[in-house]
Amino acid sequence: GAVVSQHPSRVICKSGTSVKIECRSLDFQATTMFWYRQFPKKSLMLMATSNEGSKATYEQGVEKDKFLINHASLTLSTLTVTSAHPEDSSFYICSATPTGNQPQHFGDGTRLSIL
Amino acid sequence: SQKIEQNSEALNIQEGKTATLTCNYTNYSPAYLQWYRQDPGRGPVFLLLIRENEKEKRKERLKVTFDTTLKQSLFHITASQPADSATYLCALDTAGNNRKLIWGLGTSLAVNP
Repeated sequence: GAVVSQHPSRVICKSGTSVKIECRSLDFQATTMFWYRQFPKKSLMLMATSNEGSKATYEQGVEKDKFLINHASLTLSTLTVTSAHPEDSSFYICSATPTGNQPQHFGDGTRLSIL
Repeated sequence: SQKIEQNSEALNIQEGKTATLTCNYTNYSPAYLQWYRQDPGRGPVFLLLIRENEKEKRKERLKVTFDTTLKQSLFHITASQPADSATYLCALDTAGNNRKLIWGLGTSLAVNP
């Protein structure tokens, strides 16, 4: 149980393109989803916390107009990297948690490469 | 500022031995502490959660301890196998409202056959 699907797994695109990443909880309802970014040999960096039906809470230093998050249902959250540039290239990972203080369950990540 | 430190060096052990990984933290009092496994190019996989009022938690070959006085958690894998080779992450869990995880850098474990 507690499977989280993230799609796509890899994106390569030109600078200026907007990229949408989907995160779905397949067998549970996720009231809260998290979006992370991870650089090589660095720890997971929380970008934002997303609650179903409300605006995402962004961490300090994360541009909300650059990284648009939508959590329209209890099983789906999307992250759109708008007008992506090479410095946005990274490994983006989502996680989801059911209600209560339960562990986070992660997707397999999206490797984003902006040329 | 909050700081989490895990074994900075990669850990190499022989198959069958017990691997012990360390997670130390400062300037924080987490409600829970979690351990995850991450394989290259994959998302983390949850392993164990231990609460601040628990001293020890076990799951099959895994054991976690949590010492809130020392501000330290130890993660043990007994009878280690090559398939246990991965990066192991510890995360402080704030719990409650505005819950979030604060992550360590991870420790790379290699179990040699």
